[in-house]
Amino acid sequence: DTEVTQTPKHLVMGMTNKKSLKCEQHMGHRAMYWYKQKAKKPPELMFVYSYEKLSINESVPSRFSPECPNSSLLNLHLHALQPEDSALYLCASSQPGESHNEQFFGPGTRLTVL
Amino acid sequence: AQKVTQAQTEISVVEKEDVTLDCVYETRDTTYYLFWYKQPPSGELVFLIRRNSFDEQNEISGRYSWNFQKSTSSFNFTITASQVVDSAVYFCALSLTGTYKYIFGTGTRLKVLA
Repeated sequence: DTEVTQTPKHLVMGMTNKKSLKCEQHMGHRAMYWYKQKAKKPPELMFVYSYEKLSINESVPSRFSPECPNSSLLNLHLHALQPEDSALYLCASSQPGESHNEQFFGPGTRLTVL
Repeated sequence: AQKVTQAQTEISVVEKEDVTLDCVYETRDTTYYLFWYKQPPSGELVFLIRRNSFDEQNEISGRYSWNFQKSTSSFNFTITASQVVDSAVYFCALSLTGTYKYIFGTGTRLKVLA
């Protein structure tokens, strides 16, 4: 199974809502990533988990809260978002070992903040 | 500083034409990795190829080929006999040893017309 799944595919939320994005992989990868991608831009790294521990936080606002409950699951909890947070949120996974391993991406959650 | 430049923002070709996507990178590191990813309209990034800085062999995979030239800091991607299904955004990315982070180019949108 070489698939990364993400739910939901689309999410519309108000600025006072709390919601969560979910990502799952069953490839045995021990590194998992969250990216944000605005239209016509490349993905921007937000967080990296390695062996279920937060390894990188790219100075992401605290209204985004990641969680890695186990080696297969990655969540992104959203609270009090702003309209400019509307974007495609991509999850990825890879073997740990940093730069040389290719990342496998999910189809993304398209988030709209009203 | 590290940087990846994809000067071609958008390319349109007619089916069966060959097309080359350019990628120029900057880094002072001697060990690094280069990647190409494809992002179809469905959203997920699909891994195409990884090349490390010590391996300048060109590679061919079906209709896809890659030309890595350290002398010009380029890692170009050619699609032979393009097909409509090749329509997507293609990203070139650079990764350095000791980091999980990709430095993405801005992407090239390829449109293959029937």
